Parts: sequence; C-alpha cells; structure tokens
Amino acid sequence: DGGITQSPKYLFRKEGQNVTLSCEQNLNHDAMYWYRQDPGQGLRLIYYSQIVNDFQKGDIAEGYSVSREKKESFPLTVTSAQKNPTAFYLCASSRTAMNTEAFFGQGTRLTVV
Amino acid sequence: QKEVEQNSGPLSVPEGAIASLNCTYSDRGSQSFFWYRQYSGKSPELIMFIYSNGDKEDGRFTAQLNKASQYVSLLIRDSQPSDSATYLCAVLSGNTPLVFGKGTRLSVIA
Repeated sequence: DGGITQSPKYLFRKEGQNVTLSCEQNLNHDAMYWYRQDPGQGLRLIYYSQIVNDFQKGDIAEGYSVSREKKESFPLTVTSAQKNPTAFYLCASSRTAMNTEAFFGQGTRLTVV
Repeated sequence: QKEVEQNSGPLSVPEGAIASLNCTYSDRGSQSFFWYRQYSGKSPELIMFIYSNGDKEDGRFTAQLNKASQYVSLLIRDSQPSDSATYLCAVLSGNTPLVFGKGTRLSVIA
C-alpha cells in the first residue's frame, strides 16, 4: 500500500523539550515537505527537500530542524526554540522536485502542555 | 512574496446546487494550480489540478483557469453534504514548493 505515513498522530510536549515527528513515504518520491497549519490558517512551509542529503528552509524554519538521510524519510524536530509549537503538522511528498502535485500524510497534532 | 488569496467563507449552498470557489494568485509566472479538499481534523486531499487556460472537468468537479486574470476557480456541481469541507487552492511557480491559500470553508445544506 503506497503512501505517506506520519507518526505519531497526536503528540504532547512539555515546554523546553525537543520532539521529533516522523514522516516516511514508499512512493519513491524525490521531494518531501513539512507544512504547519494553525486554526483558520493556510499551510505554511517549514522545510523542504528536493533530494537526499539536501534541504532548504521554508517561510517559518526558525525553531525547527530536519534531516534527509534516506529518500523515504524526512523527520522534523521541533526544538525548544520554537515559541509557539502547538499546531497541526503535515508532511507531503511529490514525484519530482517542484513541478508535480504533492500528496499528504495524515498529519501530527502537536500540543504543548 | 508569492501570495494566493481565497475568500475564507463560509460559503453555504443548498444540496444539489453548484458551489463556486475562487482563488487569485500574485505571481504571473505561476505554472500549475491545484485544488485540495480538507475535512475538519484531516489532511488535505488532492481533487483537481490544471495547467492550461480553460476548463478541466472530472466528474462533478470543474477547474477553470484564466492566467491573464491570475484567477483559478473550482465548480462543484450537484453539491452534496459530503462536499462540506475546506477547499485549499495551491499554486506552483518556478523552483519553489506549493504556496497555499488559507482555504474556503464550504457548507452544503441538506
């Protein structure tokens, strides 16, 4: 079954902690993306990767970090430097970099407690 | 800053009517345009894409693109209560990832 898997679905973090959100795809897609969605807001780009071992900052990268060591995996770490991390995080992938439609995982809802 | 604008709604239509969702974009060089549907608490799902001026039909959905006016729309014919969701317009330009609008909330009243 091809697709994009995000885990966990719900995540609770204490203030000052780093947490890592997982994103795995078996679609053989080159490009992967992380978006953040807040209530009533559109999707804002955090980081993206066009190819293994390469990634670029999006519009709101501060307080986040990523890695792309394998084509299938693009984990996102939310660090303690991110001041308002409570949000819905969406991972997506596309067949090639930048010129094809993107498909989304089911999302991770992060709450700071 | 590339921008994609949508009316936030809610847009309310009666069951069986045509729902018309609109989107404008700022980058005249944009090449590809996508419509995603997002149910509350769920992730976006791709429903249509269009690259060329004119209309593209897929079942009850029609995407319309007018590059001269920098305008793209989505028509949903014979609207059903199950179509009630937020519809996100997304635009692809050059070598940058998809830029999304904030979405239009559609409510189909039975």
